[in-house]
Amino acid sequence: EVVLTQSPGTLSLSPGERATLSCRASQSLGSAYLAWYQKKPGQPPRLLIYGASGRATGIPDRFSGGGSGTNSTLTISRLEPGDFAVYYCQQYGSTPAWTFGQGTKVEVK
Amino acid sequence: QVQLVESGGGLVKPGGSLRLSCAASGFPFGDYYMSWSRQAPGKGLEWISYITSSGSRLYYADSVKGRFTISRDNAKNSLYLQMNSLTAEDTAVYFCAKGYPPEDWGQGAPVTVSS
Repeated sequence: EVVLTQSPGTLSLSPGERATLSCRASQSLGSAYLAWYQKKPGQPPRLLIYGASGRATGIPDRFSGGGSGTNSTLTISRLEPGDFAVYYCQQYGSTPAWTFGQGTKVEVK
Repeated sequence: QVQLVESGGGLVKPGGSLRLSCAASGFPFGDYYMSWSRQAPGKGLEWISYITSSGSRLYYADSVKGRFTISRDNAKNSLYLQMNSLTAEDTAVYFCAKGYPPEDWGQGAPVTVSS
């Protein structure tokens, strides 16, 4: 099983600031198999990034994904009020079993 | 417009069973991988299972292997999750999702396992 470790656990930032979230895998994924989701309470997850850097339909360009191998990042260039949420990385396809990271909470400073 | 609507959640006693359904519409259901994930209260997301478009391949997380069974009926545009031998640790909101990776999600069905 691939274990995904996200850091930091919590990121305290102000609107307009840049957020950089990290996701480290216990083995190389291949960039094609890493996704990022935004999760708010009472709502389903929202796919932001697939294939490590592809932006999902309707996702604004202030969200960007990068990295390869075992290290991936999600960057939010300028935080807007609706961006404060929990973010999860997910690996899919590098092994038959999919896994999520434990999440990074982006909160208002 | 893609719609995924889960049903069948509720309160069940430890050791009991429950069958979740996910009714899909707005897309060619038989062309897509489908999956189930869950979120326990105060916890993160956990992937549970996925099934390929034809239903020929099924995969499960270790935490549910041998107890949960995923299935689909492409003629009825429906996805199912049969959950047996439920424990308190299975208490969660269960989401069905479409795609590889999951790009569209239902609103979720709450499942509570308690005596």
